[in-house]
Amino acid sequence: EVQLVESGGGLVQPGRSLKLSCLASGFTFSNYGMNWIRQAPGKGLEWVASISSSSSYIYYADTVKGRFTISRDNAKNTLYLQMTSLRSEDTALYYCARRAQWVSFDYWGQGVMVTVSS
Amino acid sequence: DIQMTQSPSSLSASLGDRVTITCRASQDIGNYLSWFQQKPGKSPRLMIYGATNLEDGVPSRFSGSRSGSDYSLTISSLESEDTAIYYCLQYDKYPPTFGGGTKLELK
Repeated sequence: EVQLVESGGGLVQPGRSLKLSCLASGFTFSNYGMNWIRQAPGKGLEWVASISSSSSYIYYADTVKGRFTISRDNAKNTLYLQMTSLRSEDTALYYCARRAQWVSFDYWGQGVMVTVSS
Repeated sequence: DIQMTQSPSSLSASLGDRVTITCRASQDIGNYLSWFQQKPGKSPRLMIYGATNLEDGVPSRFSGSRSGSDYSLTISSLESEDTAIYYCLQYDKYPPTFGGGTKLELK
């Protein structure tokens, strides 16, 4: 069974940093691109970042470019999102999601909440 | 960026009704269009990919179609468990972009 379990969220002050993790199981992690997608409270879905299976290709939304860094450790089956210079508008539930070729985001984690507030 | 214009933003329908939700893409995305269902407090669930392909385990009353740059999700006979918010997603070009969502409720 495919499982994606996010962790690392919490309450953080504006301007500070936070690192999210997503532990994958039930599939060959190194064969899949992975993504972070967020959802502000009561709002829609916003794609944040993507990383290819071997980390060769990385993409970011303009809203986080230069502040967030996506990475992965295939030996640990873990996806990361390093978030710096956090702003109130980064407050959201952050999901990690697997991208299957031709299919888009076929499995999602349960999400981890990040709240940026003083 | 490609804009996905989803309509309606909310919809109220009765059990057994045929329901259709539409997304229009601002640029050509081919068939790289997915539909997701999100219930309160839950993660999004992939329902349709490649514009018309039903994800494993999704009831056959759900279907996807395309007409030019318009993509539709249809529920042939609404059941109570289908109440949710539905989102389209284009994944042809970066950045992937979601529609604004359609809240489907029972009348």
